[in-house]
Amino acid sequence: DQQVKQNSPSLSVQEGRISILNCDYTNSMFDYFLWYKKYPAEGPTFLISISSIKDKNEDGRFTVFLNKSAKHLSLHIVPSQPGDSAVYFCAASEENNDMRFGAGTRLTVKP
Amino acid sequence: DAGVTQSPTHLIKTRGQQVTLRCSPKSGHDTVSWYQQALGQGPQFIFQYYEEEERQRGNFPDRFSGHQFPNYSSELNVNALLLGDSALYLCASSYRGLSGYTFGSGTRLTVV
Repeated sequence: DQQVKQNSPSLSVQEGRISILNCDYTNSMFDYFLWYKKYPAEGPTFLISISSIKDKNEDGRFTVFLNKSAKHLSLHIVPSQPGDSAVYFCAASEENNDMRFGAGTRLTVKP
Repeated sequence: DAGVTQSPTHLIKTRGQQVTLRCSPKSGHDTVSWYQQALGQGPQFIFQYYEEEERQRGNFPDRFSGHQFPNYSSELNVNALLLGDSALYLCASSYRGLSGYTFGSGTRLTVV
């Protein structure tokens, strides 16, 4: 069962522009959401998270937005840099249960 | 401060064989979760170990089993390997299963 979906397998943006990665979920009991970044031959690295009691969390160039009514979250990267090129995974958890991941979006930032 | 360490990094097995993968958690972490990542997909939760017991389990058959040792390290065992078990197996550690998981680089298992 795909409880977390990332419908865009890839995204390409120009350096300096905004990257917007999207994620949808079906389980209304999810109360914590995370974004991970993965480079080839490495494990996923935690990027940013948001609790269901918030609708926005910002950390430097990275901002996550949560729309609970739409069961949708997005990750904004501004400005995008070539080093941001990686696969980004959206994950969600319910009451400290383990995470459910989306299939990932491959972001390419062109110089 | 070492992060999560997984061994081996790569492994090739034949259908029907058994395999054991190992994970050492990050220092200070006591909970270990295992994930299977098939090609082109996100990590799928297999199970989580805390205090040497399986605390949660995902939708995986009983061929997948695990163990956690007193030093918090963990093993993942897969019996009667199938071609479909070929994947990257990721171990993630945390403190008490709370957010802030640290992932290892994974073990790439190929079943032929």
